[in-house]
This record gives sequence, C-alpha cells and structure tokens, in this order.
Amino acid sequence: AQSVSQHNHHVILSEAASLELGCNYSYGGTVNLFWYVQYPGQHLQLLLKYFSGDPLVKGIKGFEAEFIKSKFSFNLRKPSVQWSDTAEYFCAVQRDDKIIFGKGTRLHILP
Amino acid sequence: GAVVSQHPSRVICKSGTSVKIECRSLDFQATTMFWYRQFPKQSLMLMATSNEGSKATYEQGVEKDKFLINHASLTLSTLTVTSAHPEDSSFYICSARGGLGGYEQYFGPGTRLTVT
Repeated sequence: AQSVSQHNHHVILSEAASLELGCNYSYGGTVNLFWYVQYPGQHLQLLLKYFSGDPLVKGIKGFEAEFIKSKFSFNLRKPSVQWSDTAEYFCAVQRDDKIIFGKGTRLHILP
Repeated sequence: GAVVSQHPSRVICKSGTSVKIECRSLDFQATTMFWYRQFPKQSLMLMATSNEGSKATYEQGVEKDKFLINHASLTLSTLTVTSAHPEDSSFYICSARGGLGGYEQYFGPGTRLTVT
C-alpha cells in the first residue's frame, strides 16, 4: 500500500545536538512533500515544502530537508536544536490532490 | 499567510446527538477543503475531500452517512457528526486549498469533540 513512513517515533536530544528525522514515501511519480510541526496544544504549522527545483529546501526556524528522489526520502534536519523545538513533526506527501501524513515523530529536547 | 478558522474549538455532546463543525477560509477562496481526524498521539487521517458545490469524496472506511460534509461556498465547509458515539471523540482538523498558492493547504486549529 502507498504510505508515508517516519522511522523515529520518539526522539530525545539535548540542546545544541544535531537533528535528522527520516521520512520515506512509497508513491510513484510526481509528488509534493512537506514537513509540518505541531507544538504542544497548538495546531499544525508548515515548516517547509518541496514542489520542484533545488532538492535541498530551507524552512522556518533553521530547519531544512533534502529530497532524494532515488531513495523516495525527504529527511528533515537541523544542525543545532533548541528546547523550543520540542514538538511533534509530521512528514506529508501530496499526490492526487490529497495530503497524506506520516505517523509523526515526537521530539523532546532536554534543556 | 492564509488563515483557516474552525468553530467551535471544543464541543461536548451526548451520545446520540449530532454536532456540526464549521471550517472557514478567512482571506482566500477555498476551492477544495479537506477534513482530517487525529486520535491522541497519532497522525492525521484524511476523512474526505470536498470541492465547492459538489459532493464530498470520502476515504475508504469513512462512513459518509455518519460524517456529513457540506461545502456550500468558497469560504465555508461544515462537518456534521450524526448520532455521535463515544468512539467518535477525536480531534477534527480541516484544511483548505485554493486562491493563493495552488498546491498548498492551510490548516485550521482543529475542533476537539468529546462524546459522553
């Protein structure tokens, strides 16, 4: 079945550590890719998106993601995390007019 | 950026009653709106897609007679949970697309439904 897979369900890091959250999808053809963040008690916010062009996309708050077509991957990275990055992160794929979400990764940053 | 609102933000209803949730695009015309459901500590599950003026398209496993969706205008879609049961308790999130960016969807803040 077509799906969006996030490999890490729960990640705990210390402040200033580097972050990489994995995301793979199984849809063929052209897709649009997103990472969303949901801070505790808040609604979804778009971190970054990839539609076409440069496969390395930069988003808000120092996040970036790299689209690797051959690997069907769109991993999220941040070189140095902050306590305020504690949140749930969702990878999402848009295909055929729909956005399908991965199960999410809960990120906990230790102060 | 584009803003999507939902009303109410929280609702508690008794089992067997119906509840309506509104989703509005405040500063753009939403040709397409989407309804998602999010269980605690889980991901968003797409329930249905609705285009203005036409019937909603439901995802597999979603009961269309239970979750009535109306997209009567370019700025308003409603989700009515009919004959609600405790298992319908969830966080319902809408998103809207259209107008500004073409592909991008803008998400509402969600509505927490509790059925007692």
